[in-house]
Amino acid sequence: EAGVAQSPRYKIIEKRQSVAFWCNPISGHATLYWYQQILGQGPKLLIQFQNNGVVDDSQLPKDRFSAERLKGVDSTLKIQPAKLEDSAVYLCASRRKGIGVDNEQFFGPGTRLTVL
Amino acid sequence: DAKTTQPPSMDCAEGRAANLPCNHSTISGNEYVYWYRQIHSQGPQYIIHGLKNNETNEMASLIITEDRKSSTLILPHATLRDTAVYYCIVRVANRDDKIIFGKGTRLHILP
Repeated sequence: EAGVAQSPRYKIIEKRQSVAFWCNPISGHATLYWYQQILGQGPKLLIQFQNNGVVDDSQLPKDRFSAERLKGVDSTLKIQPAKLEDSAVYLCASRRKGIGVDNEQFFGPGTRLTVL
Repeated sequence: DAKTTQPPSMDCAEGRAANLPCNHSTISGNEYVYWYRQIHSQGPQYIIHGLKNNETNEMASLIITEDRKSSTLILPHATLRDTAVYYCIVRVANRDDKIIFGKGTRLHILP
């Protein structure tokens, strides 16, 4: 079974520029998560989708961050304009509904963003 | 905020058992203890979880105290590939809820 795919793996931009990240979850996983991980800290949830609907975006800085999952499969996260403090690893995770170990959250490798 | 307390870092010799402690004194009756690890440049990876009984799988063993206020993750024969940050998390099982990560324990396996 293929894992969660993310691209790009690395991105360097200047402040005030825009950037977009892409995530393709594991096939059949209805729930998709975007987490932000600042250096030295644990990941923090930005937004959670159930199919193509938003479940939780309470921690998403909506003045600059946006995310969509139009067809309920892959998802994009955008930052416009970027600030220095957005430098972090952006992790995508997905989960299939149900009970059992196979229904835990599976994480992708992340996109490391550096804002100069 | 995370509901667990872990030491920031630990060392373990290769081939020895690595014992990672976690305190969760405010755990609720329906919350499980979960462990994830994050190897450098990778996303977090699920290891194991348990409610009150000790659990073992191919990766690790989880020992939970009788009062459920603390637990220990045991890697029986640590290898260099086990060098990672280990996160102890308490949460309700089988739910879509977000995972609330703390800073975890950075485990160094020494050759």
